[in-house]
Amino acid sequence: EADIYQTPRYLVIGTGKKITLECSQTMGHDKMYWYQQDPGMELHLIHYSYGVNSTEKGDLSSESTVSRIRTEHFPLTLESARPSHTSQYLCASSVGPNTGELFFGEGSRLTVL
Amino acid sequence: AQTVTQSQPEMSVQEAETVTLSCTYDTSESDYYLFWYKQPPSRQMILVIRQEAYKQQNATENRFSVNFQKAAKSFSLKISDSQLGDAAMYFCAYRRITSGTYKYIFGTGTRLKVLA
Repeated sequence: EADIYQTPRYLVIGTGKKITLECSQTMGHDKMYWYQQDPGMELHLIHYSYGVNSTEKGDLSSESTVSRIRTEHFPLTLESARPSHTSQYLCASSVGPNTGELFFGEGSRLTVL
Repeated sequence: AQTVTQSQPEMSVQEAETVTLSCTYDTSESDYYLFWYKQPPSRQMILVIRQEAYKQQNATENRFSVNFQKAAKSFSLKISDSQLGDAAMYFCAYRRITSGTYKYIFGTGTRLKVLA
């Protein structure tokens, strides 16, 4: 199994709360990604990072923000959660360019009431 | 822009039988990676199989094999001797090989049911 960890696995919170989803990997990968996925649906890239202090927005617009201060850590923050943010958030990492494989965490399922 | 299409939202297969999941993609690149990922219910997404476009030989991993047709831009996954543990969402994905570009494009997924 890949060494990439997400916490919390499940979170139920009220509207307006600030939340941070944690993602850590112990593989030394430079590239890290956040995907948003509704149950049983496709993945949408919302943020990615190619290294420390490098972050970019993905293809799906998101009100969340990310930071990459350390190679192994790529947290995602929502300043004020809304019901429309209810979804599963998947963190992933890769080492490129020659191996290609994405390694995924187990996901954080967020429900905003 | 590159796209990945999975036209089968759901497939069913009897245990021990063979099933093929379809994937087509569109790209103007000549070198790229193609992947099949498996996402079991409430579990981690894992890589099933990978194909480099410059390799003509189809990739195989135990019971999993692909039929890679580069000219047709087709990349199907064949699962032989299906097992109950194969039940999952399967995603086809594409990534350019060009250095500096590490974004992956995923299809919409195919839910595979395995019937006992």
